[in-house]
Amino acid sequence: QVTLKESGPVLVKPTETLTLTCTVSGFSLSNARMGVSWIRQPPGKALEWLAHIFSNDEKSYSTSLKSRLTISKDTSKSQVVLTMTNMDPVDTATYFCARGALVGATVFDYWGQGTLVTVSS
Amino acid sequence: SYELTQPPSVSVSPGQTASITCSGDNLGEKYACWYQQKPGQSPVLVIYQDTKRPSGIPERFSGSNSGNTATLTISGTQAMDEADYYCQAWDSSTAVFGGGTKLTVL
Repeated sequence: QVTLKESGPVLVKPTETLTLTCTVSGFSLSNARMGVSWIRQPPGKALEWLAHIFSNDEKSYSTSLKSRLTISKDTSKSQVVLTMTNMDPVDTATYFCARGALVGATVFDYWGQGTLVTVSS
Repeated sequence: SYELTQPPSVSVSPGQTASITCSGDNLGEKYACWYQQKPGQSPVLVIYQDTKRPSGIPERFSGSNSGNTATLTISGTQAMDEADYYCQAWDSSTAVFGGGTKLTVL
């Protein structure tokens, strides 16, 4: 059974750095056909893809947010970590991690429940 | 940067066919996916590789992708299909989501 679970702070202050952890089970982060993405959704708005880490540790970032994002993984702990610097109230959103399965292109076939992060002083 | 455009809303009567479009430059040359999201829930993959349904997704969901437009079609729409739907594709190693379409079944 594949599961993903996000964890991290529910409240951060403007200018602070956000660190979120995605803990996965039911698959290995070393599986050649698997990766993990972070995707966010501001309240009432659309999904926005942030970053992806592939099994070979290759990383890909949103063009608009690349300067603020870092994605990494610890395969032994089955965890993927996202850091986002210089947080702003507009970054208030539910942050999801999702498994990216390589089927032709990478598809997000399993999602975590999401974690709501509020940016406020 | 690459963009995918969806209509903000689509309405359909129960039992009828709903079509939701997703437009992007040469989208037909990429694989398109579709996700369903109900209020307060995480998205669920309903179509991948343009036309394929994951296990557990009803046959009434189908997809196509050609030229600049991908289409999600729901045949015999049911009340339970009322949700937001997002298309998604990859461009230059970055994932792109459409703006989402709210499907109303009335």
